[in-house]
Amino acid sequence: GAGVSQSPSNKVTEKGKDVELRCDPISGHTALYWYRQSLGQGLEFLIYFQGNSAPDKSGLPSDRFSAERTGGSVSTLTIQRTQQEDSAVYLCASSLLAGVTEQFFGPGTRLTVL
Amino acid sequence: RKEVEQDPGPFNVPEGATVAFNCTYSNSASQSFFWYRQDCRKEPKLLMSVYSSGNEDGRFTAQLNRASQYISLLIRDSKLSDSATYLCVVNLSNTGNQFYFGTGTSLTVIP
Repeated sequence: GAGVSQSPSNKVTEKGKDVELRCDPISGHTALYWYRQSLGQGLEFLIYFQGNSAPDKSGLPSDRFSAERTGGSVSTLTIQRTQQEDSAVYLCASSLLAGVTEQFFGPGTRLTVL
Repeated sequence: RKEVEQDPGPFNVPEGATVAFNCTYSNSASQSFFWYRQDCRKEPKLLMSVYSSGNEDGRFTAQLNRASQYISLLIRDSKLSDSATYLCVVNLSNTGNQFYFGTGTSLTVIP
């Protein structure tokens, strides 16, 4: 596709369940970022990938959060044992080069934990 | 202290008005700066990068003041379609290409 895609677009889950969020970056983009945005809040950085490696995991809020990227392309963000405070929009972005080039965002996954 | 701070607004201005937003950042080693626009329930999109010498794109002018650690965005001749939230973004390259987003400034242009 021409842009960053994310799936699912919406996810409703029960507290304690695990969820997987997927991001397909723009082809050829080496850098991939995960953010989350709570209602009325700014974007909170979670993790970024350069290729398949994650040099910076400092933003992951707890050990229930993990992410991986394979083949320098698709990335999945996994949240284990979801809590209500995990409810937010999870945004993925990719950029051609890490750091200085524009980030292109996907439409996000709206996660609701009941 | 937040890495990036913005006045959340809201700014409500009439069509044709000029409006300016400021954003301050805390880390003097910050390397690159951007303004993004986010429409309601949509993803952020790049509006413009901010260069040291200042830059202009049509009705939009961005400026960087490294000494005072702030960046600004000026919108001239506001249009209804400019209504959105404007996000200030700073990249701290010494922390591994981590981008910090401000919470955004809300703008509504009124007919």
